[in-house]
Amino acid sequence: AQTVTQSQPEMSVQEAETVTLSCTYDTSESDYYLFWYKQPPSRQMILVIRQEAYKQQNATENRFSVNFQKAAKSFSLKISDSQLGDAAMYFCAYRSASGGTSYGKLTFGQGTILTVHP
Amino acid sequence: GAGVSQSPSNKVTEKGKDVELRCDPISGHTALYWYRQSLGQGLEFLIYFQGNSAPDKSGLPSDRFSAERTGGSVSTLTIQRTQQEDSAVYLCASRRLAGGTPDTQYFGPGTRLTVL
Repeated sequence: AQTVTQSQPEMSVQEAETVTLSCTYDTSESDYYLFWYKQPPSRQMILVIRQEAYKQQNATENRFSVNFQKAAKSFSLKISDSQLGDAAMYFCAYRSASGGTSYGKLTFGQGTILTVHP
Repeated sequence: GAGVSQSPSNKVTEKGKDVELRCDPISGHTALYWYRQSLGQGLEFLIYFQGNSAPDKSGLPSDRFSAERTGGSVSTLTIQRTQQEDSAVYLCASRRLAGGTPDTQYFGPGTRLTVL
């Protein structure tokens, strides 16, 4: 079974600064997807960024980028120019790319609460 | 277009009562998932529906939990004889299986269930 670990329960950053959230995972599969989701107090899970394991290039979405290290099974999220609206719980998630039962089910990490200070 | 919707937003019930939680997925999304988010267990997969196939119920924690999906669209999660440990936020997500970004799940706002 796959596991996802977020070792930072809480992180804080000053507005306009850069912060990196860590995520490691354990899997025996070679093809999979990784995601970062943001959950603000409204509870709505919002997709921040996604990465296909077969792609070596790190995904980027505006101020958000990842450092995907497949051999190390590491998938960190970097938020540049942090904004007050970035404050939320961030979840790292894994999804197998193979078929079968529970196809597409996400396995989540424990989450990291990000606080942004003005 | 419209996102995933869930109702009710909040539900308070007494121990032993049955509850029904509803999820309306994004139109055209054939895959539907239920997850539970609780303080002690984090985010857990509960059940997965794909088209007309038999659902994958491997994540349901007990036989008090059941779910159905009518007409390949709306889904209802039912918890019978609720217990205090069932208190959690129940999240629904849907995914298209072709076109766009088929690997991405889109979540609803969740239902917060409190069992007194």
